[in-house]
Amino acid sequence: SYELTQPPSVSVSPGQTARITCSGDALPKQYAYWYQQKPGQAPVVVIYKDSERPSGIPERFSGSSSGTTVTLTISGVQAEDEADYYCQSADSSGPMGVFGTGTKVTVL
Amino acid sequence: EVQLVQSGAELKKPGESLKISCKGSGYSFTSFWIGWVRQMPGKGLEWMGIIYPDDSHSRYWPSFQGQVTISADKSINTAYLQWSSLEASDTAIYYCARLIPATGTLSYYFDYWGQGTLVTVSS
Repeated sequence: SYELTQPPSVSVSPGQTARITCSGDALPKQYAYWYQQKPGQAPVVVIYKDSERPSGIPERFSGSSSGTTVTLTISGVQAEDEADYYCQSADSSGPMGVFGTGTKVTVL
Repeated sequence: EVQLVQSGAELKKPGESLKISCKGSGYSFTSFWIGWVRQMPGKGLEWMGIIYPDDSHSRYWPSFQGQVTISADKSINTAYLQWSSLEASDTAIYYCARLIPATGTLSYYFDYWGQGTLVTVSS
């Protein structure tokens, strides 16, 4: 497997923009996905295929990709966005994948 | 409505065996890979392995190969994760989740998750 590295924590004031990065050598060749996990809950996908948003996910969530780094951006952060966020990418040989190290977003 | 319902919390002793389950409904269970994900206390998500219920083909990441067994019974739309001899380090929440390929690709991600099963191993 390979590694995806995220910052352990990001702090942001309500209404500001939070940016969470995820770095990995395979990312130029593989799509990235982002999951939000709130305490005591299962993860929920908020971005797929680098930048697409599933139905029901607020427009303030967006994703981008550049080289070996992908970024999840939360614009106009709200208190309810406080959660752990994980990136994920696929393995080149099939349905397997790996998760990033995870980032705790704190809304001040 | 797609649902994955997992079995309840377990408290086991070191050396005991265990099999937890994940029952799918609301979709064609045999047409999608199911994955298992470990989350140790206060830690991140770890991808353990996957199974295709139609033919029970499974794959594991090396750190989990030989430590757990993933199986499925397609007649009852259920996937399983089992241990033959638990250790204290197996204490974690285990999630099952459905894998889906992103549109037009062979790149997979989890779109539906079970509620998680807490496994506690303590003497």
